[in-house]
Amino acid sequence: AQSVTQLDSQVPVFEEAPVELRCNYSSSVSVYLFWYVQYPNQGLQLLLKYLSGSTLVESINGFEAEFNKSQTSFHLRKPSVHISDTAEYFCAVSDRNTDKLIFGTGTRLQVFP
Amino acid sequence: DAGVIQSPRHEVTEMGQEVTLRCKPISGHNSLFWYRQTMMRGLELLIYFNNNVPIDDSGMPEDRFSAKMPNASFSTLKIQPSEPRDSAVYFCASSSSYSGRAYEQYFGPGTRLTVT
Repeated sequence: AQSVTQLDSQVPVFEEAPVELRCNYSSSVSVYLFWYVQYPNQGLQLLLKYLSGSTLVESINGFEAEFNKSQTSFHLRKPSVHISDTAEYFCAVSDRNTDKLIFGTGTRLQVFP
Repeated sequence: DAGVIQSPRHEVTEMGQEVTLRCKPISGHNSLFWYRQTMMRGLELLIYFNNNVPIDDSGMPEDRFSAKMPNASFSTLKIQPSEPRDSAVYFCASSSSYSGRAYEQYFGPGTRLTVT
């Protein structure tokens, strides 16, 4: 069965510093990969996705993630974070045979001034 | 686009009472998912529907939980009887399938359930 590992439950960082949130998945078949963000007391919002094509995908607010098939990873990065990026970030994987998404346990990003 | 609509946003009930959570998916989406989120267990998929048909209910905790999707624009998740351990945030999400595959899911704002 598919699984997703987010190794870091919390990542504290100062404003304008770079950040990387790690995500690894277990799969021997082709997958679709997603990062979702959850702000306090809100639902999950899609941040970016990898379906096919270029392995580097970007969001509109400066985040990017790179699909690495050999390392089965899909790490999320941002070169300079803002206070407003404080949220919980979930990595998710969907195999190409079902409609289900398997979510990681989430990483709480806290940005300090 | 109104997005996924869930009601109520907050529900406080006593143990043993019946609770019904409601969801209206995005118009045109044909897959609907119910999730539960708690601090202890994280985000769990309870059940999902495709074209109003339940496809996978393996995440439903026990017989106290039931879900229906009578038409493409409405779904309910019912807990009867409710217990304190059911306290959680329940999310509904919808997606659109192409060629038999669904892509990204769009989440509603959630219903925060408290059972006392």
